[in-house]
Amino acid sequence: DIQMTQSPASLSASLGETVTIECRASEDIYNGLAWYQQKPGKSPQLLIYNANSLHTGVPSRFSGSGSGTQYSLKINSLQSEDVASYFCQQYYDYPYTFGAGTKLELK
Amino acid sequence: EVQLVESGGGLVQPGRSMKLSCAASGFTFSNYGMAWVRQAPTKGLEWVATISYDGSSTYYRDSVKGRFTISRDNAKSTLYLQMNSLRSEDTATYYCTRDRGYGFFDYWGQGVMVTVSS
Repeated sequence: DIQMTQSPASLSASLGETVTIECRASEDIYNGLAWYQQKPGKSPQLLIYNANSLHTGVPSRFSGSGSGTQYSLKINSLQSEDVASYFCQQYYDYPYTFGAGTKLELK
Repeated sequence: EVQLVESGGGLVQPGRSMKLSCAASGFTFSNYGMAWVRQAPTKGLEWVATISYDGSSTYYRDSVKGRFTISRDNAKSTLYLQMNSLRSEDTATYYCTRDRGYGFFDYWGQGVMVTVSS
């Protein structure tokens, strides 16, 4: 199975700040990577797919980058509604696997 | 508007069975692969199973292979997950998701809780 190592596990940031979340795959996943946002008590929502494609309706302050085994999610100008947990997922190979998540809080 | 509505969860004893359903609307169900993803309480996400758009192909994680069966009825726009020989480690919220076609999930249901306990 492909292991997804996500960091940091938790993050505290101020409004307007730029934050970055990293995800490392145990082998090359050829950009088969998605990012999801999960707000407390809600279902996950797709943010980014194919490592850097923004899903419909997602604000442009979210962006994804990376290749090979290293990927990142960047949130520019942090807003209060961005408080959530974020998960990466590889879909290059079965079984699809997720990172353990990053909990983002406001400072 | 895409909607996925799960049903069928609840409390079940270890070793027993349960069947989850997911009613889909707002899109042409028969054009999309579908999947179940679960989340144990306060834990991360775990992919469970995927079925192709026509039901001809299915894929499972090892821990549920031989116990769970994913299926679909395209005439009813409904996805199913038959869960047999349930274990305490199957306790989780189960989400019905739409597969965009490449393995990522662009729409999620609200989730249904399954608790396996005596």
